[in-house]
Amino acid sequence: DSGVTQTPKHLITATGQRVTLRCSPRSGDLSVYWYQQSLDQGLQFLIQYYNGEERAKGNILERFSAQQFPDLHSELNLSSLELGDSALYFCASSGGLAGSMYEQYFGPGTRLTVT
Amino acid sequence: GQQLNQSPQSMFIQEGEDVSMNCTSSSIFNTWLWYKQDPGEGPVLLIALYKAGELTSNGRLTAQFGITRKDSFLNISASIPSDVGIYFCAGQLRSNSGYALNFGKGTSLLVTP
Repeated sequence: DSGVTQTPKHLITATGQRVTLRCSPRSGDLSVYWYQQSLDQGLQFLIQYYNGEERAKGNILERFSAQQFPDLHSELNLSSLELGDSALYFCASSGGLAGSMYEQYFGPGTRLTVT
Repeated sequence: GQQLNQSPQSMFIQEGEDVSMNCTSSSIFNTWLWYKQDPGEGPVLLIALYKAGELTSNGRLTAQFGITRKDSFLNISASIPSDVGIYFCAGQLRSNSGYALNFGKGTSLLVTP
């Protein structure tokens, strides 16, 4: 158990809809990262937040947005969903007092299916 | 992100054999990390490497940070059935603009008893 929690575990929705994925980082970790994993693209970095502020952006679509709240949990919002958005979405955290800023620990993921 | 080339794509070995896999990049990284992922689970961190030439072990696993900083290697000795899974390398630049990981496509390992 990495200490990173994600909800929900599975999500099935229709095209055009909007969903919110939630992540709680390991206790004390200040950075949260979101990654998308698909069969054709592999694991792709989407976005990083550090202590509530956006720190880095990767291959994140304009239809996607994220935020990190004062209690350090993060949400990834996916809107106007398309079939191609079906994937595993992972949250990772790093930067706790007991660990390295650079080592990222992954949650169990949310499997999104768009029908 | 940076493109990482991970090889081999898959390996099918017998229990007790040693395994080697590697990852190369056209760009330099400051950190290399190796992860293992089981079906339906999140990647689990195995080893982190921070210096060129560094050799680090974690039980039967040994990883090395290449001298050119553009490659890394992972060896598994005396494989056992529970080593089955997908192994990913990840390179990290560690810049002021963040610590995003760039992943390879993975090496799928199958171990027969």
